[in-house]
Amino acid sequence: EIVLTQSPATLSLSPGERATLSCRASQSISTYLGWYQQRPGQAPRLLIYDASNRATGIPARFSGSGSGTDFTLTISSLEPEDFALYYCQQRLKWPLTFGGGTRVEIK
Amino acid sequence: EVQLVESGGGLVRPGGSLRLSCAASGFSFSRCDMTWVRQAPGKGLEWVSAIGGGGDRINYADSVKGRFTISRDNSKNTLYLQMNSLRAEDTALYFCAARGLYYQYHMDVWGEGITVTVSS
Repeated sequence: EIVLTQSPATLSLSPGERATLSCRASQSISTYLGWYQQRPGQAPRLLIYDASNRATGIPARFSGSGSGTDFTLTISSLEPEDFALYYCQQRLKWPLTFGGGTRVEIK
Repeated sequence: EVQLVESGGGLVRPGGSLRLSCAASGFSFSRCDMTWVRQAPGKGLEWVSAIGGGGDRINYADSVKGRFTISRDNSKNTLYLQMNSLRAEDTALYFCAARGLYYQYHMDVWGEGITVTVSS
């Protein structure tokens, strides 16, 4: 099973600041990685697919990068609605796996 | 409008069974792989099972293999998850998601989720 490790577990930032979230895979997954946002009480939604491509309707302040085992989700300038949980997920091999999540909270 | 709506959740005793349904609308259901993902209270996301558009290519997480069965009825645009021998650790919010409707093999459309509670 491919294990995804997200860090940090919690990120405390102020609106307008830059957020950098990390996801590390236990083996190479090329770019077969997605990032999901989950706001309180809501279903997850796809932000980034295949490591670096924004899904339709996702603001340009969200960007993804990385390949192999190390991936990053960057939010260039936090908006109030961006304070939420973020998960990475690999689609290379079964079983599909998610990272443990990073909570972005208001400082 | 593309929509997924889960139903069938509730309270069940350990060892019991439950069948979840996920009604799809607004897209060509039979052409889309589907998946179930769950989230235990206060915990992260856990993938449970997936099925191909034609009802083939079925996969399960080890935690549910042999107890849960995924299936679909393309004539009814509905996905199912039959859950048997339920345990307390199966208590979670269960989401169905379309996989690859817009972005190949990614979970790109989600339902709102349905709660399953396993308790005596």
